[in-house]
Amino acid sequence: DAMVIQNPRYQVTQFGKPVTLSCSQTLNHNVMYWYQQKSSQAPKLLFHYYDKDFNNEADTPDNFQSRRPNTSFCFLDIRSPGLGDAAMYLCATSLRGGNYGYTFGSGTRLTVV
Amino acid sequence: GNSVTQMEGPVTLSEEAFLTINCTYTATGYPSLFWYVQYPGEGLQLLLKATKADDKGSNKGFEATYRKETTSFHLEKGSVQVSDSAVYFCALDSGTYKYIFGTGTRLKVLA
Repeated sequence: DAMVIQNPRYQVTQFGKPVTLSCSQTLNHNVMYWYQQKSSQAPKLLFHYYDKDFNNEADTPDNFQSRRPNTSFCFLDIRSPGLGDAAMYLCATSLRGGNYGYTFGSGTRLTVV
Repeated sequence: GNSVTQMEGPVTLSEEAFLTINCTYTATGYPSLFWYVQYPGEGLQLLLKATKADDKGSNKGFEATYRKETTSFHLEKGSVQVSDSAVYFCALDSGTYKYIFGTGTRLKVLA
């Protein structure tokens, strides 16, 4: 089945130690999104790629970076994780925009110790 | 600016009860509207959508009608099951590639 796959499902990292989360898709969708979701809150958009064009949200901390080396893969890099960055990170894709709905991955739950 | 307002949860119902989760929106133009469901420890799944006024989205017994006159997109189900226990998010897409999500409503269904 075509899908969005996030790895790993659970990630534990040390305070200040760089960490990378990955997302892959077999849908050939143009747009890939990274959301941060803290407990009992709505997902918060960090950034998105439309093809190779990167779009950062104004309030996304510089600590968060992203790479999209090709259509299928997108990475979220957290350069120096703090305790406040512990959250569920969700990757989503859409075809040219959200009108037909997003397809979400299962998420990566990040713990910072 | 665009916004989505959902009723606060949690909503607790007995099995086979009728469900309504209210969602209203503010947007310019004609946004597309969505309901997503999130089961514990999982990502969001698209439940249903509507792209224009008076459209009714439906899936798995859930329904929602796009009401432009009341700027609403309320989620309903006639008879809930324990397996429907989850968090439900209303969202709009105003055509800028970015959704606006509501804050989510937790539903708990008791056997």
